[in-house]
Amino acid sequence: DARVTQTPRHKVTEMGQEVTMRCQPILGHNTVFWYRQTMMQGLELLAYFRNRAPLDDSGMPKDRFSAEMPDATLATLKIQPSEPRDSAVYFCASGLAIALVSYNEQFFGPGTRLTVL
Amino acid sequence: AQSVTQLDSQVPVFEEAPVELRCNYSSSVSVYLFWYVQYPNQGLQLLLKYLSGSTLVESINGFEAEFNKSQTSFHLRKPSVHISDTAEYFCAVSEDSGGYQKVTFGTGTKLQVIP
Repeated sequence: DARVTQTPRHKVTEMGQEVTMRCQPILGHNTVFWYRQTMMQGLELLAYFRNRAPLDDSGMPKDRFSAEMPDATLATLKIQPSEPRDSAVYFCASGLAIALVSYNEQFFGPGTRLTVL
Repeated sequence: AQSVTQLDSQVPVFEEAPVELRCNYSSSVSVYLFWYVQYPNQGLQLLLKYLSGSTLVESINGFEAEFNKSQTSFHLRKPSVHISDTAEYFCAVSEDSGGYQKVTFGTGTKLQVIP
């Protein structure tokens, strides 16, 4: 049963601490997305990777957020330093883009619920 | 630039009644359209999609959506809802953006099925 996995599922930390969230995309998928979901803003795209290269991170606060794909089986999202306003659920999704103009059906992970005190 | 509008943030409906969740989009190019569903404390799951061909698409659990190009809409309907349909529903549009497909999600509509 192929699915996207995310760790940790829950994280409580104090303001100023570094937070690292991990995502394992579905094997064979070549696109990875990071989203943030809050009650106020809804679902926001933070970053988009294709074949491990970042194609769009315009939605990500550059001063404290960073996203990487060290290899095809791992995507990371880091916040340093964390702030209370970063409290949200962070979703990772993966998909398979066969050609430049192929559609992006996305498969979502269960999310990481982050609380920054 | 593309955008997706879901005008209704919440839709209460009685069990076994019909429901329509509205979605309108704006885009300057051809698009693909999706509906995703999010159950409490879970990630989003694809419900149905329109890529090409027949403008009416269906899901396995009784939902359907119709692509209307002239009205730039992709409304989601179900003739008779169940308690288990209580969830948040997101409309999404995907279009080519600088050589790759960019997906934009709407703000979501919470469907509350009342017993």
